[in-house]
Amino acid sequence: SYELTQPPSMSVSPGQTARITCSGDALPKQFVHWYQQKPGQAPVMVIYKDIERPSGIPDRISGSSAGTTVTLTINGVQAEDEADYFCQSADSSGSYKVFGGGTRLTVL
Amino acid sequence: QVQLVQSRAEGKKPGSSVKVSCQASGVNFKNVGFSWVRQAPGQGLEWMGGIIPVFRTINYAQKFQGRVTITADEITSSVYLEVGSLKSDDSAVYYCAKEDFDLIGTQPLYHGMDVWGQGTTVTVSS
Repeated sequence: SYELTQPPSMSVSPGQTARITCSGDALPKQFVHWYQQKPGQAPVMVIYKDIERPSGIPDRISGSSAGTTVTLTINGVQAEDEADYFCQSADSSGSYKVFGGGTRLTVL
Repeated sequence: QVQLVQSRAEGKKPGSSVKVSCQASGVNFKNVGFSWVRQAPGQGLEWMGGIIPVFRTINYAQKFQGRVTITADEITSSVYLEVGSLKSDDSAVYYCAKEDFDLIGTQPLYHGMDVWGQGTTVTVSS
């Protein structure tokens, strides 16, 4: 079955930049969406279609894409950004969706 | 304002089935899809399947084929997830999520899961 690969964890100091990657063979053909999840809460979409930001999401959060890897970038990390981040895409047919394993971002 | 409200927590015995509901408000059922996603304790998100009500298109993750049924009722603006032959490792929080899409020919191009329900905890224990 199709898989998306993310680093399990990452730590950054406040004010630094966090870059979370997501890799998958079908990513050149399929969009990636990113979700932030804090403990005990439902996920929240922070980036869709690789680079688009939903309303209400701060512009220090951005997405980029290059071949089989997409990246979620958080500039000027704040304590409130501490959360789990999941990428989501679909297989080459587009019909079957998949999530990455998630990356726990810790703000030191 | 779009909102998805899910049914309350369930406790089930192994081998039984559970049906979780998700009622949408502020949503036009004619141009959205819905996915069901679950999260076991301390684990990541797992896509189970999805439905586009207007096209009656349903897709299931291979892992759940034959054990999961997703349905929609446009009259009540609700989508449902039924999981059969429950096992202890089906204990999880189950989420519904709305997805907008564009049609490219006959294929939907999804915009991501932009609205989520609050989650329904299902506990399977003897």
